Amino acid sequence: QQQVKQSPQSLIVQKGGISIINCAYENTAFDYFPWYQQFPGKGPALLIAIRPDVSEKKEGRFTISFNKSAKQFSLHIMDSQPGDSATYFCAASIRGSGSEKLVFGKGTKLTVNP
Amino acid sequence: GAVVSQHPSWVICKSGTSVKIECRSLDFQATTMFWYRQFPKQSLMLMATSNEGSKATYEQGVEKDKFLINHASLTLSTLTVTSAHPEDSSFYICSARAQSYEQYFGPGTRLTVT
Repeated sequence: QQQVKQSPQSLIVQKGGISIINCAYENTAFDYFPWYQQFPGKGPALLIAIRPDVSEKKEGRFTISFNKSAKQFSLHIMDSQPGDSATYFCAASIRGSGSEKLVFGKGTKLTVNP
Repeated sequence: GAVVSQHPSWVICKSGTSVKIECRSLDFQATTMFWYRQFPKQSLMLMATSNEGSKATYEQGVEKDKFLINHASLTLSTLTVTSAHPEDSSFYICSARAQSYEQYFGPGTRLTVT
């Protein structure tokens, strides 16, 4: 019940295209869903996060879509650029639980071809 | 804002020695910090949750006597790998939880035990 399932494992997109990464969860107590971007040899960087009271959140070229009934959320990267090539992790946690441990997906390696 | 630093960024040590890694939140106070371990091409594995002024909470399977965690202040947590062995070689990453519940990650520490 603590799992977050992420797909695809890897994704290749042409420059200017849309990258879509999907995540699904089981624990309905999760109420915070962040996405992280990680470049090789670096720590993850918080990209964007959403709470279940909204269905979509947009920040620049990055959009999270959230479907509470389906227990799924996705990251859309519009106008993908070679500089977006990185590994992306979705995560989920329960706020106010005392620790707010993040449960991570297994990651998606995105390659944007020029 | 929301910068987390780690020191050192990489360290090589001999088998049997101990290594200390520092994690600092530079521009915010963090009552809770987390320590992760990441193997190549894998997701982040939570090792322990560190709360300021109290004992760390370790995840199942993580040896608390081997991985000593001290959260001495609202901006500093340390991880000491005691009697390191080659199998402890890994990428260690800390994160700090802000009051707004976001977790911000440090740049990571590459530990190589020879």
